[in-house]
Amino acid sequence: DIHMTQSPSSLSASVGDRVTITCRASQGINNLLAWIQQKPGKAPKSLIYAASTLQSGAPTRFSGSGSGTDFTLTISSLQPEDFATYYCQQYRTFPLTFGGGTKVEIK
Amino acid sequence: EVQLVESGGGLVQPGGSLRLSCADSGFTVFSSWVHWVRQVPGKGLVWVSRISTDGSITDYADFVKGRFTISRDNAKNTLYLQMDSLRAEDTAVYYCLRYDSGWTWGRGTLVTVSS
Repeated sequence: DIHMTQSPSSLSASVGDRVTITCRASQGINNLLAWIQQKPGKAPKSLIYAASTLQSGAPTRFSGSGSGTDFTLTISSLQPEDFATYYCQQYRTFPLTFGGGTKVEIK
Repeated sequence: EVQLVESGGGLVQPGGSLRLSCADSGFTVFSSWVHWVRQVPGKGLVWVSRISTDGSITDYADFVKGRFTISRDNAKNTLYLQMDSLRAEDTAVYYCLRYDSGWTWGRGTLVTVSS
């Protein structure tokens, strides 16, 4: 199985901050990576797929980059509704595997 | 808006069975592979099972192999997860999800295995 490592595991930031989360795959996955947002008590919601394609309905302040093994999710200007846990997900190879999550908290 | 809606969760005793369903409210769920993923409350996401578009291919995580069965009913546009021999460690929220120009997740259904 492909192991996905996210960093940091948590971060504190203020509204308006630029936030960056990284994800590393244990082997190359081309660009077959998604970023997921999950708020407490809610279902996961996909924000980005194919490493950099914004999912329909996702705010444009979210962007993704990377290919191969190293990927980044950037929130250009953190909004109050963005405080949540973010996961990366690879779908290059069966089975689907997920990063451990990054919890974004209010500073 | 395309939505996946799971149902069938609940409280069951160890050794018992449940059948989860996943219905697509606005699209045929059978135009793509569909997966089940589970999440213990407060923990991460773990893949459980998948089924191909035509149902001819099914796969399972080792920890459910031989106990869970994924299937689909084309006539009802619904996906199922039959869960037998349930254990306490199967307690989790179960989500169905599929890929079609991005990933769509269901709302989830909570399964609690406890005596």
